[in-house]
Amino acid sequence: NAGVTQTPKFQVLKTGQSMTLQCAQDMNHNSMYWYRQDPGMGLRLIYYSASEGTTDKGEVPNGYNVSRLNKREFSLRLESAAPSQTSVYFCASSADRGTKTQYFGPGTRLLVL
Amino acid sequence: AQTVTQSQPEMSVQEAETVTLSCTYDTSESDYYLFWYKQPPSRQMILVIRQEAYKQQNATENRFSVNFQKAAKSFSLKISDSQLGDAAMYFCASTRARGGSNYKLTFGKGTLLTVNP
Repeated sequence: NAGVTQTPKFQVLKTGQSMTLQCAQDMNHNSMYWYRQDPGMGLRLIYYSASEGTTDKGEVPNGYNVSRLNKREFSLRLESAAPSQTSVYFCASSADRGTKTQYFGPGTRLLVL
Repeated sequence: AQTVTQSQPEMSVQEAETVTLSCTYDTSESDYYLFWYKQPPSRQMILVIRQEAYKQQNATENRFSVNFQKAAKSFSLKISDSQLGDAAMYFCASTRARGGSNYKLTFGKGTLLTVNP
């Protein structure tokens, strides 16, 4: 039981390049989330998906797109990376019922030069 | 809308002693959950403890306990018998408990806990 996995662990991009961050969970959760963590800012929600086939914007969606490929997988895409997107990105998932506890992946550290 | 405030950017404690981390929150929700997450240098976000707002009893998990004051909107974390492995950034977070489909977590900015041997 791996929980929430993310790839890659670390990536360096040049300004204008694109990339996709991958996330998968094996807990049969309906809800999945992408957060970014910046120094002194805590974690902020980028996008979320309440179920397969649905996605919606969070607090800081500009410059990102997401795809909920199936129940397990939720990817985050940067179409044209900018230095302001240098951050640590976390994927999380939760069940719809019960305590709404979110379980996090190990994070992806992204550096945009 | 929800807001979470952690007023202590840094705290330190001696090994084996007790430390309390503060958190206050504001929410318009009638029912909600509160959490403490730990983030060690590995960056993994680890759930420490959660509290259901409708429960008056304070949650406990081994050496970790909370003091939940609903009227004051306060949710502090007490760590007893502190260990070196407790050194980490601690985040307080909240989410609503019902209605709609977005149960996003609202995080505070974190408290960096140092444990001195």
